[in-house]
Amino acid sequence: DTGVSQDPRHKITKRGQNVTFRCDPISEHNRLYWYRQTLGQGPEFLTYFQNEAQLEKSRLLSDRFSAERPKGSFSTLEIQRTEQGDSAMYLCASSRDVYTGETQYFGPGTRLLVL
Amino acid sequence: AQKVTQAQTEISVVEKEDVTLDCVYETRDTTYYLFWYKQPPSGELVFLIRRNSFDEQNEISGRYSWNFQKSTSSFNFTITASQVVDSAVYFCALSENAYGNNRLAFGKGNQVVVIP
Repeated sequence: DTGVSQDPRHKITKRGQNVTFRCDPISEHNRLYWYRQTLGQGPEFLTYFQNEAQLEKSRLLSDRFSAERPKGSFSTLEIQRTEQGDSAMYLCASSRDVYTGETQYFGPGTRLLVL
Repeated sequence: AQKVTQAQTEISVVEKEDVTLDCVYETRDTTYYLFWYKQPPSGELVFLIRRNSFDEQNEISGRYSWNFQKSTSSFNFTITASQVVDSAVYFCALSENAYGNNRLAFGKGNQVVVIP
């Protein structure tokens, strides 16, 4: 079973630039989640998809953030006009949609540094 | 309000010692799920254990064991006979049924350092 993959693993950008991250979930998983983790903190929920539908967005997700999951497969997270405060690890997770409380399996993350 | 509290920030143990990580959670749901994840220096969160609110039976899986007590809202995790490879940050997480989306609320993590 191939795990969750994320690309790129690291991204350095200048303030004001746009960046896009990709997440490929475990193939049979219908649910896909994005989390953000800053230094010394636990991951915080950003948004989630059930198949191609984005069902919830956290208040952490400002208007500069947009996520998509076309065709219910891979997902992209775009940050426009990046700010230094966006520097963080962006984690993607996927799970089945059979029972409540299904285990989420995480990818290796994309570490973003905004200069 | 913090839904998951992990009080100890960094714990150092000598190899082969046991280490117990405390987790206290807060929820109004009667159905919920608790998890422990491990985050080694590489950054990937690795799933360790999952427990639902209806099953308070404590179990052992290899060198891992956990103690779930609803009366005190605690879900503690123990690594027996620690090894250097256990050095990582360990996160406790809560998934509440009321949300329907199974989103996880994480604690701040416990940095475990195993000294050879």
